Amino acid sequence: GEDVEQSLFLSVREGDSSVINCTYTDSSSTYLYWYKQEPGAGLQLLTYIFSNMDMKQDQRLTVLLNKKDKHLSLRIADTQTGDSAIYFCAESNNNQGGKLIFGQGTELSVKP
Amino acid sequence: DAMVIQNPRYQVTQFGKPVTLSCSQTLNHNVMYWYQQKSSQAPKLLFHYYDKDFNNEADTPDNFQSRRPNTSFCFLDIRSPGLGDAAMYLCATSRGSAWEQYFGPGTRLTVT
Repeated sequence: GEDVEQSLFLSVREGDSSVINCTYTDSSSTYLYWYKQEPGAGLQLLTYIFSNMDMKQDQRLTVLLNKKDKHLSLRIADTQTGDSAIYFCAESNNNQGGKLIFGQGTELSVKP
Repeated sequence: DAMVIQNPRYQVTQFGKPVTLSCSQTLNHNVMYWYQQKSSQAPKLLFHYYDKDFNNEADTPDNFQSRRPNTSFCFLDIRSPGLGDAAMYLCATSRGSAWEQYFGPGTRLTVT
């Protein structure tokens, strides 16, 4: 079946850039998403990219997609302590009725 | 603000005692989803409604059922909760199956 994998932890200093990586196996993925989850809270949609794009930028966030390698990354510029959270990569395709397949989540810790 | 609301935020139930979790939305979205997220794990889709059409995931236990009486509301019923059902339950909505999903804050269920 489909699988999405992420590294579990990332620690950065405030002001540095963070790069969170994700790999997926479903070659028919249509959309790829990044969600943020703060402790005890629901998931906040940060950004998404269509599979026919290779890059999307939204303020401090840059998403890069390498479809050949099935690799997705999220870069957060000028990381702040408020960015500390768990970041989930997810994929979906039109054949699955919008079902999201999530990675395990990457816990980002930002140190002052 | 248009949003996805879940009630209650925290629910404690006894082993085997039926429990109902509630989700409502003001986004007027066609699709409503229920995900289960156990501690330190990725959210896992239980089922979803596309309008009135119910779509159950193959591995969702029979113990879990859902109702959608109208566009705005969707309920998750757990008929006989076991200790293994303790989790965060997340409701999400989307305009259609190919659109991004917006999540509520979740209900944390404890089974004693």
